[in-house]
Amino acid sequence: NAGVTQTPKFQVLKTGQSMTLQCAQDMNHNSMYWYRQDPGMGLRLIYYSASEGTTDKGEVPNGYNVSRLNKREFSLRLESAAPSQTSVYFCATRAYNIQYFGAGTRLSVL
Amino acid sequence: SQQGEEDPQALSIQEGENATMNCSYKTSINNLQWYRQNSGRGLVHLILIRSNEREKHSGRLRVTLDTSKKSSSLLITASRAADTASYFCATDAPSNFGNEKLTFGTGTRLTIIP
Repeated sequence: NAGVTQTPKFQVLKTGQSMTLQCAQDMNHNSMYWYRQDPGMGLRLIYYSASEGTTDKGEVPNGYNVSRLNKREFSLRLESAAPSQTSVYFCATRAYNIQYFGAGTRLSVL
Repeated sequence: SQQGEEDPQALSIQEGENATMNCSYKTSINNLQWYRQNSGRGLVHLILIRSNEREKHSGRLRVTLDTSKKSSSLLITASRAADTASYFCATDAPSNFGNEKLTFGTGTRLTIIP
């Protein structure tokens, strides 16, 4: 039982490159979330998905797109990476008011 | 914008002592939660307190909630080295996304000195 799995764990990009962060869960939860965590700022919500086929913007959606492929998978795409997107990205699921987090992806954009 | 603000930002105590950290928030809530984050890891849920509750216990954790002051505190008793981590409060507000969204504070970095 892996819970919430994020890939990759680390990534270095050059400005303008694109990439997709993957998130998969085996908890059978409907709601999934993408956050970014920056020093001194806590977690900020990028996008969330209440169920398969639905997505909504969070607090900081600019520069990102998401795809809820099925109930298990929720991916985050950076179409043209910028240095301001250097951060640690967390995927989470939710059930009964509690959120369950993956281990994170550390992304550096040079 | 951040809903919750933790205080202090950082706290260092001797092993065995009690650690107290506080959280203030801005709007009405359904519940307030505390999460722990070990270095380089994801957040882990610790405890949830509902808006109609004033105090809750879980093992060595004690959480209080004062909705009139829009504040909460987390007390960790008899601290251990393994308690070294960052602690975040998160509020679940009856606002956007049909109550599906949590808003996290900026965290308290707790260091337990052996």
